[in-house]
Amino acid sequence: NAGVTQTPKFQVLKTGQSMTLQCAQDMNHNSMYWYRQDPGMGLRLIYYSASEGTTDKGEVPNGYNVSRLNKREFSLRLESAAPSQTSVYFCASSEMGETYEQYFGPGTRLTVT
Amino acid sequence: DQQVKQNSPSLSVQEGRISILNCDYTNSMFDYFLWYKKYPAEGPTFLISISSIKDKNEDGRFTVFLNKSAKHLSLHIVPSQPGDSAVYFCAASVSGTYKYIFGTGTRLKVLA
Repeated sequence: NAGVTQTPKFQVLKTGQSMTLQCAQDMNHNSMYWYRQDPGMGLRLIYYSASEGTTDKGEVPNGYNVSRLNKREFSLRLESAAPSQTSVYFCASSEMGETYEQYFGPGTRLTVT
Repeated sequence: DQQVKQNSPSLSVQEGRISILNCDYTNSMFDYFLWYKKYPAEGPTFLISISSIKDKNEDGRFTVFLNKSAKHLSLHIVPSQPGDSAVYFCAASVSGTYKYIFGTGTRLKVLA
């Protein structure tokens, strides 16, 4: 099992460009999440999908959109990248509910110039 | 407003000794707490969790203690090993919200 996979691993964008971060899990988990990690800030939840067909905003959703394509895949889109979106992005999945641990992907390091 | 706080950015401990990592929270509605370990260039990995109905949970060398009245939890690692050197995050959630709030992390260095 690959667990949670993310593509790409690294990306450099110019301000105003758009891109989609891809995430897939092979653990048959119902819930999926997108976080960003910034120095001194810990991990902050951007969006989550409690189950296939549903998505909800987290702590810092502005500037992002998500799509739960199917049970396996959850993508994060930046429509018009800004330097403030320079960060490391992590996708995670879990069984449905908060009392299950999350499994994280390896991360995507995004730089917006 | 930081709901989950890890006030020590870093901690150094000698191999074989106990490591104690602390976490404080402000939201009394949190009822489930988790600890994650993160190595550089990797995603966090789950370590141990505790429900608010318990005050202690143990898994091998790792023990988490929860003091609800103080809104404080701690992770004890005994004995500490060099491979434990990593950043440790605590996280908290409220049942029904699907939202995990993470602390800012503590970098543990175990010295051989």
